Amino acid sequence: DAGITQSPRHKVTETGTPVTLRCHQTENHRYMYWYRQDPGHGLRLIHYSYGVKDTDKGEVSDGYSVSRSKTEDFLLTLESATSSQTSVYFCAISERDTGRVTEAFFGQGTRLTVV
Amino acid sequence: GQNIDQPTEMTATEGAIVQINCTYQTSGFNGLFWYQQHAGEAPTFLSYNVLDGLEEKGRFSSFLSRSKGYSYLLLKELQMKDSASYLCAVKGGASKIIFGSGTRLSIRP
Repeated sequence: DAGITQSPRHKVTETGTPVTLRCHQTENHRYMYWYRQDPGHGLRLIHYSYGVKDTDKGEVSDGYSVSRSKTEDFLLTLESATSSQTSVYFCAISERDTGRVTEAFFGQGTRLTVV
Repeated sequence: GQNIDQPTEMTATEGAIVQINCTYQTSGFNGLFWYQQHAGEAPTFLSYNVLDGLEEKGRFSSFLSRSKGYSYLLLKELQMKDSASYLCAVKGGASKIIFGSGTRLSIRP
């Protein structure tokens, strides 16, 4: 299994508070992704990173920010949590395309509840 | 824009064959993935297609037609443990990976 760890695994927070989720990898993969998964919507891309300090928006980036100051860590921050951000968050990593299969490996997910 | 469509739910019988279709319209194409996800778990990789044609991997096969923006996942000799969601995903420009909404497959005895 790819070395990818998400923390925390579960969190309950109050509306309006800031929340930071951490994704840590030991694979030295270039690409890192944050998704949220809600019933009926599948996995939706929030932000992704293609290198240290290089990030870009995904499909549902409003209300979220990210940072990647070193290869192994990708942080997702909810500046002011809202109930609509209650979801399961998955981090994924992928290697640079080298002509072979470069699938994304997923962390175990973080269940976030905003009350 | 980007759009990936797959059926929401399917039901099949143990021992049978089922085909899950996926159509896509994306900006840039660098490969199509299929993932399996059991309830409460993370997605796990099943297959990858970047060229047209069929890729076979045991009981699972995946087909791609880039000109038609179409792929399918074929599952043979279905087992009860195959009850799961199956996710189609496209890797586009800058290695951005976008997923469809997933197909929930139920297997009946």
